[in-house]
Amino acid sequence: SQQGEEDPQALSIQEGENATMNCSYKTSINNLQWYRQNSGRGLVHLILIRSNEREKHSGRLRVTLDTSKKSSSLLITASRAADTASYFCATVFSGGSNYKLTFGKGTLLTVNP
Amino acid sequence: SQTIHQWPATLVQPVGSPLSLECTVEGTSNPNLYWYRQAAGRGLQLLFYSVGIGQISSEVPQNLSASRPQDRQFILSSKKLLLSDSGFYLCAWKTSGNTGELFFGEGSRLTVL
Repeated sequence: SQQGEEDPQALSIQEGENATMNCSYKTSINNLQWYRQNSGRGLVHLILIRSNEREKHSGRLRVTLDTSKKSSSLLITASRAADTASYFCATVFSGGSNYKLTFGKGTLLTVNP
Repeated sequence: SQTIHQWPATLVQPVGSPLSLECTVEGTSNPNLYWYRQAAGRGLQLLFYSVGIGQISSEVPQNLSASRPQDRQFILSSKKLLLSDSGFYLCAWKTSGNTGELFFGEGSRLTVL
């Protein structure tokens, strides 16, 4: 399966701390994306990193990609209570003829005020 | 700007009853459209995707079907619901082509009793 797997499944931190979530996958990818989901809501795209990129930043978010290890990490710096949500990585298989995102099971992040 | 609408937001149906979930996108043309299902505490499972009117690809053999009668309309259906069809159904779109992120609707929560 191409499915990404996030680690840890759940993470609880205090406001102001950094949160790191990891994602591993099994096949060659076109790109890897991170999404956020508030409870009971749809997913919101956070950041996309292409297979030829190693690091990308967006505000308080930093994403790294290591294609040799087939892994990615999402770092949220200076976390806020409003960052509480589930975070998913999604991969796009590079060998596919159609553009499909395969999602992992997510990391539930709780930021305590 | 582009928007995506899903309805109904919640649905409680008896086993054996039919289902119709609708998704429409505004502000874009010829989008790729996707239906995902999310079981409680789980990741997203891709059910169907479509690259054009009448073009449906099924990812998982099951009790469900999808149709795209118009460019920006995507419908998920079932003739007879099973208990296992319960879940959170998410519609998403992206621009055509082999790159980019998904934009999700707010989801439809289906409970089959």
